[in-house]
Amino acid sequence: SQTIHQWPATLVQPVGSPLSLECTVEGTSNPNLYWYRQAAGRGLQLLFYSVGIGQISSEVPQNLSASRPQDRQFILSSKKLLLSDSGFYLCASGAGVNSPLHFGNGTRLTVT
Amino acid sequence: SQQGEEDPQALSIQEGENATMNCSYKTSINNLQWYRQNSGRGLVHLILIRSNEREKHSGRLRVTLDTSKKSSSLLITASRAADTASYFCATLGFSGNTGKLIFGQGTTLQVKP
Repeated sequence: SQTIHQWPATLVQPVGSPLSLECTVEGTSNPNLYWYRQAAGRGLQLLFYSVGIGQISSEVPQNLSASRPQDRQFILSSKKLLLSDSGFYLCASGAGVNSPLHFGNGTRLTVT
Repeated sequence: SQQGEEDPQALSIQEGENATMNCSYKTSINNLQWYRQNSGRGLVHLILIRSNEREKHSGRLRVTLDTSKKSSSLLITASRAADTASYFCATLGFSGNTGKLIFGQGTTLQVKP
């Protein structure tokens, strides 16, 4: 079965600082990868998805970017964080249509 | 944009009772999935129901899908305190093989011992 590793678990960063969140996947190859953000008490908003190395699709305009340098590595970045970037960031992996998503345990980001 | 909308937003029941959560969506779907999230954790997949299916069971979970009404329900029978969590429906549209799921806002379930 798949295992999704996300780190760090929590992060407090000042406004204007850079961000790098990493996600790695074990137990599968060539997965579809996703970054979701969850505001407190809310549902998940899809930020980025990738169907292969170097292939990134952005769902919403924002201050963030994503990269997939290796098959099972997905990175979420920002050059300068905003207060509105605070939230719970979840990485997920899936095999495509009619397959469930497997989620990591998330990173809680607080921008101060 | 959010596709699925859960109802109710919050539900509190006694252990042993049944819990029913509903999900409505707006556009045609390939499949609908239900997930569970314990506080501060990632989501765990519960059930996937395809658009040509009407009902699926998994242990104490029963999911129904009515594509004519664009709605689904999740029934948890004989609830336990350990079922306390947030439950989300998610829909998959027809967008190639991207597997993009659009999640609703969730139902927070509290099961009192």
